[in-house]
Amino acid sequence: SQTIHQWPATLVQPVGSPLSLECTVEGTSNPNLYWYRQAAGRGLQLLFYSVGIGQISSEVPQNLSASRPQDRQFILSSKKLLLSDSGFYLCAWATGGGGEQFFGPGTRLTVL
Amino acid sequence: DQQVKQNSPSLRVQEGRISILNCDYTNSMFDYFLWYKKYPAEGPTFLISISSIKDKNEDGRFTVFLNKSAKHLSLHIVPSQPGDSAVYFCAARTYNTDKLIFGTGTRLQVFP
Repeated sequence: SQTIHQWPATLVQPVGSPLSLECTVEGTSNPNLYWYRQAAGRGLQLLFYSVGIGQISSEVPQNLSASRPQDRQFILSSKKLLLSDSGFYLCAWATGGGGEQFFGPGTRLTVL
Repeated sequence: DQQVKQNSPSLRVQEGRISILNCDYTNSMFDYFLWYKKYPAEGPTFLISISSIKDKNEDGRFTVFLNKSAKHLSLHIVPSQPGDSAVYFCAARTYNTDKLIFGTGTRLQVFP
């Protein structure tokens, strides 16, 4: 069966510090991978998605970047965090062709 | 521009009664719709979906209805149980893409 992992579960970072969140998927090959953010009281905003190694599409201009160094690994990064980067970050995977996406447990990021 | 809207931020229903969660959309190119359930500090879990070629899909206590002419879908939960208390997101996929657009969510509270 497929599983998706995210770490860390919670993170408190000062403004201006770097960020690296990691997501890995097990039990499937060549998945589509997604990063979402849920800000307080808001819905799920798609930040990045990837259909293969090294292929990243950015959905919104922002202070973050994403990378996919391996087939089942997706990384969300920032060089300098802003207060507005606080939120709940979710990684998801799906098989190609659309359909259901399956989410990881999420990372709660607080930027102070 | 919010393409998927959940206009009711919250809903309270008594245990055993029907819960009806609503979702409206604006993009006629959406061809697949999904409902997710989310508990606090966890990732969303997939509940049920419906293709645009259907108007109803049922899975146990959960039924999704799609009214394409009104660009409206709804999730019915019968009977409602306290464990159903969560935030429910509707999502839609544009034809021939692998991306989902999420609504802002409705918080359902089922009380005894």
